[in-house]
This record gives sequence, C-alpha cells and structure tokens, in this order.
Amino acid sequence: EVQLVQSGAEVKKPGESLKISCQGSGYSFTSYWIAWVRQMPGTGLEWMGIIYPGDSDMRYSPSFQGQVTISADKSSNTAYLQWSSLKASDTAMYYCARSDPQLHYWGQGTLVTVSS
Amino acid sequence: DIQMTQSPSSLSASVGDRVTITCRASQGIGNYLAWYQQKPGKVPKLLIYGASTLQSGVPSRFSGSGSGTDFTLTISSLQPEDVATYYCQKYNSAPRPFGQGTKVEIK
Repeated sequence: EVQLVQSGAEVKKPGESLKISCQGSGYSFTSYWIAWVRQMPGTGLEWMGIIYPGDSDMRYSPSFQGQVTISADKSSNTAYLQWSSLKASDTAMYYCARSDPQLHYWGQGTLVTVSS
Repeated sequence: DIQMTQSPSSLSASVGDRVTITCRASQGIGNYLAWYQQKPGKVPKLLIYGASTLQSGVPSRFSGSGSGTDFTLTISSLQPEDVATYYCQKYNSAPRPFGQGTKVEIK
C-alpha cells in the first residue's frame, strides 16, 4: 500500500527555521516525483514544487523559488520542505503528494503556524 | 507560465442537478489536466486525470472532458456527499499550478 506520512504540526516564531518531512512507503521512492502543495487558511491549493528523489532534480513554482528549499534523502525514503526564516504568512497546511504526474497519493498534511 | 482559471468560483445546486465546472488554461496543455475534490477539513482526492479518465473508485456521475485550453468537470446528478471544493491542475510541465477552486454547495 502506497503511503506518504508527514511530520507533525509545528508552531514557530517569525524568523525561525523549520524543516518538515514526508516519508514514502509501499513503492519505489526513487522512481516518482514528490510534490509539495500549500493551502493557506480558507484558500485554495498552491503548487510549490517537485523533487525527483532518484537524482534530486527539482522544479519550483516561481512564487516559491528562493522562499523554500525542497530536498530528499533516498536512504530514508523521505522528502523535505524547509524554511530558513519563517514569516507569519507561511502559516498554512502543507501537503506532499506523489506525482504520477497527477497527484494520486497524498500525505495527511502538516500544519505550520507562525506566530509571535 | 501557464495560468489555470476556473469558473464559477462557487455554485449552489439542488440534489439531482447536473453541475458543470470549467477550467481554462492560458496556453494549450493537451490533455494533461487533472481534477481534485477536497471536502472540508480533508486531504484532496484525485477524481480525474488525462482530462477524462476516471480514477478508480470514483463514482461514475463524475466525468471530465476537453483538451488544449478548455476543460469541464461534470457531475451528472449532484449528491449531498459531493459538497466540496473542486480544483483543476495542469501537469504537462512544471510549474503545475492549480485553478483557484470551485466551491459546490447544496441549495
């Protein structure tokens, strides 16, 4: 069974760094792109970028380029999304999803709250 | 970059009604178009890919059509459990944006 399990909810202060994770199982993790999707409170889905864990090739949405870093660790079947300096506007639910290329399998989401 | 525009942004219809949502790409994307359903507080769910291929397990009242720049999602007979927000997404190349969503409610 294909599963994507994301790390738990985070509460951070502005300016802090953060790395959230998405661990895949039940399939060849290095053979499928993983996408990250943001959903701010009460708003729609925003495609942030994708990474191919096989060789760490990645693509970013222009809206998120330079704002976040996507990475992957083949040895642990885990993809990551990280921020070096969080802002209040980063408060959102973040989903990872396997890109088939349509997004068939989704993680359960990680809620990130940034507040002073 | 290609933009995806959905219409309407929301709609209210009666149980049993036929509902149509449209999605327009700012440039041609072939049939590289998926539709997702997101119920309140839930993870999005893939409904249709390849513009018209129904994902396994999705009720047959859902259908998709179109190619190039204009696409539609149709619910042939709206059911109470279809209350959700629906999103289209292009996936032929990166970036792969979603449409802004269409919220479907029961009248």
